Amino acid sequence: DTEVTQTPKHLVMGMTNKKSLKCEQHMGHRAMYWYKQKAKKPPELMFVYSYEKLSINESVPSRFSPECPNSSLLNLHLHALQPEDSALYLCASSQDVEKLFFGSGTQLSVL
Amino acid sequence: KQEVTQIPAALSVPEGENLVLNCSFTDSAIYNLQWFRQDPGKGLTSLLLIQSSQREQTSGRLNASLDKSSGRSTLYIAASQPGDSATYLCAAFGGRRALTFGSGTRLQVQP
Repeated sequence: DTEVTQTPKHLVMGMTNKKSLKCEQHMGHRAMYWYKQKAKKPPELMFVYSYEKLSINESVPSRFSPECPNSSLLNLHLHALQPEDSALYLCASSQDVEKLFFGSGTQLSVL
Repeated sequence: KQEVTQIPAALSVPEGENLVLNCSFTDSAIYNLQWFRQDPGKGLTSLLLIQSSQREQTSGRLNASLDKSSGRSTLYIAASQPGDSATYLCAAFGGRRALTFGSGTRLQVQP
């Protein structure tokens, strides 16, 4: 199994909502990542977890809250988002410095 | 801080042409370099991974080369087809243990 599964595929939320994005992998990878991609722009790193500990936070606003409950799961909790947060959110995993495997992403629209 | 640049930003070619996409990175201390393909509104499809100790990798009509000392990678696409139309992204995996993406090359192959 070389897949990274992200749910939901699409999400529409209001600015007062709380929602969560989920990411799962069963490749035994110990590093997991969240990237944000705006339309016609490259993906930008948000967070990196290594061995279930947050190792990189790219100065992301606190309305985005990552969580790594175990080595296979990665969540991104969303609260009080702004319309400019609308983007494709990509999850990835890797084994140390090896190849990153990406999920198909969650397309988020904030109204 | 790693910076990745891709040239050209856009490319339109007739079907059957061989073409080269260029990628440069500022910090040569990388573990690997990955090339991805992205179709509009979709996630990332991994094409090729070149480890820092390697010079090139091949997959079908694709060949990627890496020159760490000069901070450059190229993606060669042979006998281009309309189905190759997409955005191609290169990304360097460096000391921060995360991928830094270039801004991409939008390729259009005309039938």
